[in-house]
Amino acid sequence: QSVLTQPPSVSAAPGQRVTISCSGGTSNIRNNLVSWYQQLPGTAPKVLLYENDKRPSGIPNRFLGSKFGASATLVITAVETGDEAHYYCATWDNSLGVEVVFGGGTKLTVL
Amino acid sequence: QVQLQESGPGLVKPSETLSLTCTVSDDSVSRASYYWSWIRQPPGKGLEWIGSVSNTAGTYYNPSLKSRITMSVDTSKDQFSLKLTSVTAADTAVYYCARLSGFSWGWFDPWGQGTLVTVSS
Repeated sequence: QSVLTQPPSVSAAPGQRVTISCSGGTSNIRNNLVSWYQQLPGTAPKVLLYENDKRPSGIPNRFLGSKFGASATLVITAVETGDEAHYYCATWDNSLGVEVVFGGGTKLTVL
Repeated sequence: QVQLQESGPGLVKPSETLSLTCTVSDDSVSRASYYWSWIRQPPGKGLEWIGSVSNTAGTYYNPSLKSRITMSVDTSKDQFSLKLTSVTAADTAVYYCARLSGFSWGWFDPWGQGTLVTVSS
């Protein structure tokens, strides 16, 4: 069971807005930076957002990140068919030393 | 463009040691600012951080795996490696290597393509 809680699945039609939540606690999200990863079918994960809301070069501005308290959110403002993938949040956890923790992942289905 | 490539046996017997190597291209494992990392993903499941190693700052391991892990860096070959002892079927996973931008605050980028390791007799 993951330390960070994500919905197992979300779905949307092309052009719609999608929100994926990532819920944690004081030892992780509240006091640490969050990153998001996209894993297209059959491929390795790729960083989508880092330091809560920063996009690497090449990532469309349709992908937005935010953090409030012990939760983080990934928003895709206008979903495309090519966005169908698993999405994972990640952060650092300080409860047993310092370690990376991942959310359980959310499968986005584009209808 | 930095690239990482995992290599190693795809099949390991129970109770034996899993050994993987990650070769880094267009970057140097000697660079002090980065940590070189292993992450795994059991079939159909989510991601699990295994550990990270820096040429200058040492190693950091997942507490749940710490007793079975050894990670090291080979600066002469720009490679880093993972050894996981006493494997069981629960260690069957795709193993990814990745570059971590900083310990306690960073993110993983880029990732290798991953290599499937199956634990079976």
